[in-house]
Amino acid sequence: GAVVSQHPSWVICKSGTSVKIECRSLDFQATTMFWYRQFPKQSLMLMATSNEGSKATYEQGVEKDKFLINHASLTLSTLTVTSAHPEDSSFYICSATSRQVIDNEQFFGPGTRLTVL
Amino acid sequence: QKEVEQNSGPLSVPEGAIASLNCTYSDRVSQSFFWYRQYSGKSPELIMSIYSNGDKEDGRFTAQLNKASQYVSLLIRDSQPSDSATYLCAAQPYSGGSNYKLTFGKGTLLTVNP
Repeated sequence: GAVVSQHPSWVICKSGTSVKIECRSLDFQATTMFWYRQFPKQSLMLMATSNEGSKATYEQGVEKDKFLINHASLTLSTLTVTSAHPEDSSFYICSATSRQVIDNEQFFGPGTRLTVL
Repeated sequence: QKEVEQNSGPLSVPEGAIASLNCTYSDRVSQSFFWYRQYSGKSPELIMSIYSNGDKEDGRFTAQLNKASQYVSLLIRDSQPSDSATYLCAAQPYSGGSNYKLTFGKGTLLTVNP
């Protein structure tokens, strides 16, 4: 399957700071990327859907001004958690796909563990 | 509201046994179904996808879909300790585009005992 990377794999920051997480598709052009959040012992919750060159579509209850998503190219999407607070501590996972991908499979990145102190 | 329900487990089976994981979904629009395996602290990895009623086999894994009953299952034959993980069921409303979201269940924790 295709390879999706995330950077950083983990990050610890102070409350009130902003953190940027990158998601890259390494060997295919991703027209669509998804951002998920997973709290301990919970399932993946979709935060937003991002199409290259257009604004992200956020799920209900996800603050778009707090979680800034940019999908400026077919291989890179970024999630910026602005003014992070301890309750934002979670495992953030991106996935990528495109219209050319068989069965519309979403390829998941390895995840970024965010800890806000 | 679209929901995917799974028994959270834990499900414990001895090595070599068959593990049976079940999933139900509420949205009749769902067309595509996926089983993911997630090890602790890792991201999900796709095991099987299924779109048509019936069985689909891939190695030790068999997915079963019954759209009339809105039911999806995953059977793991000859379970190995390395199969111990959380198994996530996901539903997607349409199989023809890339912009369609997956709705995940909460996952079933499987433990295979040596």
